[in-house]
Amino acid sequence: QVQLVESGGGVAQPERSLRLSCAASGFTFSNYGMHWVRQAPGKGLEHVAVISYDGSNKYHADSVKGRFTISRDNPKNTLYLQMNSLRVEDTAVYYCAKGGGQWLEIASWGQGTLVTVSS
Amino acid sequence: DIQMTQSPSSLSASVGDRVTITCRTSQGISNHLAWFQQKPGKAPKSLIYAASSLHSGVPSKFSGSGSGTDFTLTISSLQPEDFATYYCQQYNSYPLTFGGGTKVEIK
Repeated sequence: QVQLVESGGGVAQPERSLRLSCAASGFTFSNYGMHWVRQAPGKGLEHVAVISYDGSNKYHADSVKGRFTISRDNPKNTLYLQMNSLRVEDTAVYYCAKGGGQWLEIASWGQGTLVTVSS
Repeated sequence: DIQMTQSPSSLSASVGDRVTITCRTSQGISNHLAWFQQKPGKAPKSLIYAASSLHSGVPSKFSGSGSGTDFTLTISSLQPEDFATYYCQQYNSYPLTFGGGTKVEIK
């Protein structure tokens, strides 16, 4: 079955960097688009970024554009989110998600990793 | 950007009730709509894709309908494990957008 395990979350000061990883298993990783979605404490879901199966297409939300970068390593079955110039408002649980039959579709979710940005 | 209007934002219902949640989009999205369930402290779970197709393992008490701009999620007979927050999401175009959520509580 699909397993997505996020890591790399923690506490960071404003303007610092963190890199999240998502280890995928149970499916052919290189066949699917992959997503990052976040949820601030007590709030709803916000899409952060998506990358196509081969990494050739990427979209980032305006709220993170120029600061966050999604990438993937297909031989390692791993998705990444490089987060630079962190802001307090980036505090959230970050979920890795697997795409579906259409690359912008979300089919499965990881358990999430908490990122707290605080001075 | 496509705006998502989900209603109601919360509802109280009893075990066995039929529950309907509505999602409206600001422009037509064909059937590129998904529904997710989230319980407190847990990751979201995918229920429905393509407006009306159930993901594997999702019980048939959940159903989705709609096309264009108006969509619904129906739970035919609410059970204790169904009390959660439900989100709709469009994937017709980027940026992908979610509805604000509907919290289903026990009456």
